[in-house]
Amino acid sequence: GENVEQHPSTLSVQEGDSAVIKCTYSDSASNYFPWYKQELGKRPQLIIDIRSNVGEKKDQRIAVTLNKTAKHFSLHITETQPEDSAVYFCAASRNSGTYKYIFGTGTRLKVLA
Amino acid sequence: NAGVTQTPKFRILKIGQSMTLQCTQDMNHNYMYWYRQDPGMGLKLIYYSVGAGITDKGEVPNGYNVSRSTTEDFPLRLELAAPSQTSVYFCASSEGMNTEAFFGQGTRLTVV
Repeated sequence: GENVEQHPSTLSVQEGDSAVIKCTYSDSASNYFPWYKQELGKRPQLIIDIRSNVGEKKDQRIAVTLNKTAKHFSLHITETQPEDSAVYFCAASRNSGTYKYIFGTGTRLKVLA
Repeated sequence: NAGVTQTPKFRILKIGQSMTLQCTQDMNHNYMYWYRQDPGMGLKLIYYSVGAGITDKGEVPNGYNVSRSTTEDFPLRLELAAPSQTSVYFCASSEGMNTEAFFGQGTRLTVV
């Protein structure tokens, strides 16, 4: 079935450095790729998303890149701050055939002050 | 808008007991989902619905049932609770396919 792999599972960076989280998906029909941030004890919330007709999208310190040929997409956080510490989830979905909204296993990011 | 509201927030069940996790949304979203999140793991899709009267299985549906009689409500039923169902359960909704999912605050369920 459909699968989304996410790496690394944990990531520690110094404040001000960049962080990169990578996801690979198996369903070639996937065409929507959101990223969610989950702070400790809270609900996941969308931070950025990208559709398959776009290769890159930026929103201030956050960017997402998509490589449809290789079926992988990445989240880039620049100039990390302590408040970026959280668990980040990627997801993939499609709007044709059997609809699914599948999440990766999550990455725990720690930004060290 | 309250968004997506789940009840209860916490629950302890004994093995073999049944319960219903409630989920309601006030955004008039057609799509609703149930996920479970095990410690240190990602979100696994249990069931989803694309509209009132329509439900479908996700990745891990065994041991659960759902119904969708109205646009607003999407309850999740556990018939015979097992320790393996100890998890945090999240309900979510989205306006349509391939759009942002809005999550409830979660229900922490422990089966002993």
